[in-house]
Amino acid sequence: DIQMTQSPSSPSASVGDSVTITCRASQRISSSLNWYRQRPGKSPQLLIYSASTLQSGVPSRFSGSGSETNFTLTISSLQPEDSATYYCQQTYNIPYTFGQGTKLKI
Amino acid sequence: EVQLVESGGGLVQPGGSLRLSCVASGLTVSSNYMTWVRQAPGKGLEWVSVLHSSGTTYYADSVKGRFTISRDNFMNTLYLQMNSLTVEDTAVYYCAREWVAAAIDFWGQGSRVTVSS
Repeated sequence: DIQMTQSPSSPSASVGDSVTITCRASQRISSSLNWYRQRPGKSPQLLIYSASTLQSGVPSRFSGSGSETNFTLTISSLQPEDSATYYCQQTYNIPYTFGQGTKLKI
Repeated sequence: EVQLVESGGGLVQPGGSLRLSCVASGLTVSSNYMTWVRQAPGKGLEWVSVLHSSGTTYYADSVKGRFTISRDNFMNTLYLQMNSLTVEDTAVYYCAREWVAAAIDFWGQGSRVTVSS
């Protein structure tokens, strides 16, 4: 199985700041990488798919980049509602594995 | 508007069985790739299984041979039959739709399964 490793684990930031979350794959996965946000007590929400494509309805302050083994999610102009846990997921090979999550505190 | 509504969760003893249901509205289960993802208490997300529109199924190694994903086209419902449950299967189970690049764009609210004696 492909292992996904996220960093940092639990960053803190202030409203208006920017933050970058990194996701590393244990093998090359092309651009088969998705990002989700999960607010406390809620279901996950798709933010970015195929490494850099913004999901419809998601604010443009979310952006993704990377390929093969190294990927980043950048959130600019942080808002209070961005307090959540963020997950990357590879969809290159089944089983589609997730990273362990990055818990962002605003 | 797409809605996925899970039911069937609850408390079950180790070794027991449970069947989760996911009723879909706003999309046709048989025409989509439908998946189950679970989340143990305080833990991250774990992909469990997928049912392709073709009928092909895949499972995580942790549930292979014990869980079965299926659908009822008339009822527009997705199922997850879970047998030989262990305490490690305790989690919230989400029904979801895989879309472009297998990204999950619609999620249900989740159904809680607790395996305990």
